[in-house]
Amino acid sequence: NAGVMQNPRHLVRRRGQEARLRCSPMKGHSHVYWYRQLPEEGLKFMVYLQKENIIDESGMPKERFSAEFPKEGPSILRIQQVVRGDSAAYFCASSPRTNSYEQYFGPGTRLTVT
Amino acid sequence: GDSVTQMEGPVTLSEEAFLTINCTYTATGYPSLFWYVQYPGEGLQLLLKATKADDKGSNKGFEATYRKETTSFHLEKGSVQVSDSAVYFCALHNAGGTSYGKLTFGQGTILTVHP
Repeated sequence: NAGVMQNPRHLVRRRGQEARLRCSPMKGHSHVYWYRQLPEEGLKFMVYLQKENIIDESGMPKERFSAEFPKEGPSILRIQQVVRGDSAAYFCASSPRTNSYEQYFGPGTRLTVT
Repeated sequence: GDSVTQMEGPVTLSEEAFLTINCTYTATGYPSLFWYVQYPGEGLQLLLKATKADDKGSNKGFEATYRKETTSFHLEKGSVQVSDSAVYFCALHNAGGTSYGKLTFGQGTILTVHP
């Protein structure tokens, strides 16, 4: 059973460009969490999605950030008009059921904004 | 809201030394507690967990006991190896309220073990 897949692993964007980060959950998992790890900090929750629904986006910045988890295909975290402060590692985790601590993490996407 | 506080790092030890990384938490209700490990360039791996008070989680020689009276979940290992060098995160999961299952992490502790 393949683990959580994230791509790209490394992404470089210039200020003002868009960044798209993809997360394919483990097979059979329909719950996805996105976390952000700023340099030398712990992971901070951003958003929790189920297929076609955003359940909790309390950790998402109000502007420029959006997330989706369509019926088919990976979950996407989209950052518009990136700024240097968006440089971070973005991790997704998948879970087989709702409100579960059983979360499996992907390897992360390291975003660098130049 | 919920929060997790880890001891300040980094921690540098010699091989076979005793390891303690302190972790305390603030949460309503009865959270589950975890230690995750992150090796360089990789994602997080669950190291051990405890789901109720007085439970002891253990794995690969690491142990942590869920102490509700002191709201703590300190990580210990009797004899560290070079291969234990990594970043260690304490985390909690609170199934109650509106947390929807998100994990709340401490800031992480960098452990470096020298031969």
